[in-house]
Amino acid sequence: GAGVSQSPRYKVAKRGQDVALRCDPISGHVSLFWYQQALGQGPEFLTYFQNEAQLDKSGLPSDRFFAERPEGSVSTLKIQRTQQEDSAVYLCASSLARGLAGGPLETQYFGPGTRLLVL
Amino acid sequence: TQLLEQSPQFLSIQEGENLTVYCNSSSVFSSLQWYRQEPGEGPVLLVTVVTGGEVKKLKRLTFQFGDARKDSSLHITAAQPGDTGLYLCAGFNNNAGNMLTFGGGTRLMVKP
Repeated sequence: GAGVSQSPRYKVAKRGQDVALRCDPISGHVSLFWYQQALGQGPEFLTYFQNEAQLDKSGLPSDRFFAERPEGSVSTLKIQRTQQEDSAVYLCASSLARGLAGGPLETQYFGPGTRLLVL
Repeated sequence: TQLLEQSPQFLSIQEGENLTVYCNSSSVFSSLQWYRQEPGEGPVLLVTVVTGGEVKKLKRLTFQFGDARKDSSLHITAAQPGDTGLYLCAGFNNNAGNMLTFGGGTRLMVKP
């Protein structure tokens, strides 16, 4: 079956441009996560959706970052007025269940990422 | 903020050697995972450990979760060039949201 897909795989933007990164999760997966992975580092949490509801956006680095999942499936991460420090790989992950508070870890399946380079 | 520190950051060894990668934190985690990531790909889950002191084996890989659930190790026996990649540990706390907290990664290169 199809895994998590992301597009574009690579994006070069001039500083100040807006970009939109797309994530297609595994069909039927309720939870969707965005992570940012700087060069040579581990991924860092950005935001989390349960269906269409954005339940946690505590990791978004600034108000230039915005994510949505309007129909509870495909998600878009938008970065406005990109800066050089936004250069990173943006990873999307999905998991099947809701991940109830106090419950066990639901396995997250990661996409290949979008590599963003801001010049 | 929960932090996970991995060591070493880089490791270059010859085929056939053994190695251990460490993942340490001052925080307790409900569970801990190890991932392997290859260039241009997302992390792929290797194992999840849940119980303090738990040991899991996956072929030549042995994973251990510390008794206090604050640290973990990954031991590879007789490393192969195919083991080359970025190894990431990630902690999960079921009382702190659903996100994973990743370590900085250990980049392993196994030379033939």
